[in-house]
Amino acid sequence: GAGVSQSPSNKVTEKGKDVELRCDPISGHTALYWYRQSLGQGLEFLIYFQGNSAPDKSGLPSDRFSAERTGGSVSTLTIQRTQQEDSAVYLCASSARLDSTDTQYFGPGTRLTVL
Amino acid sequence: AQSVTQLDSQVPVFEEAPVELRCNYSSSVSVYLFWYVQYPNQGLQLLLKYLSGSTLVESINGFEAEFNKSQTSFHLRKPSVHISDTAEYFCAVKETGGFKTIFGAGTRLFVKA
Repeated sequence: GAGVSQSPSNKVTEKGKDVELRCDPISGHTALYWYRQSLGQGLEFLIYFQGNSAPDKSGLPSDRFSAERTGGSVSTLTIQRTQQEDSAVYLCASSARLDSTDTQYFGPGTRLTVL
Repeated sequence: AQSVTQLDSQVPVFEEAPVELRCNYSSSVSVYLFWYVQYPNQGLQLLLKYLSGSTLVESINGFEAEFNKSQTSFHLRKPSVHISDTAEYFCAVKETGGFKTIFGAGTRLFVKA
């Protein structure tokens, strides 16, 4: 079946603008994760969802970042008042269930550039 | 808290040569260990994982990794690499029972003809 999809694939924005990044997980996957990959660095865990609930938001870098998931499917990551240090590739992953042994399937990412 | 260190940012190697990509982790609790691969212009995908049991785990394309608890390492090896193995490889750790995966900075493997 279809894999995890993300949109847009690329986003260029001006400093101070808000952006929304979208993730469509694999159908039926209950768990969803957001990561950030900055140039030359590994993936930084941001947040996970079990269904529509995000029990732990401590990984979000600042209060400018928020995420939601509706209908147990699509998720959006919103960055308000973007800053240049927000420039990165934002990756979404999903797994069949929220279990530490379960395989995560990653989307292709959204490359965000803040000018 | 867990952390992952990948000691080499880039590893150039000739085709058919052996390769080892090093990974060390730090954790105060028991963990699961993963290697992910990102081929050029593709998304991240799971290569292999250690959950329990045999400390040596293998992938379908000839890679293997050995969990060494005393050295807190999970090095990735392949006895003979191909051009198609050129990719970035990420080591990752997750606390058993936890949901947050911690990734290393990645090692770029470049296989030369």
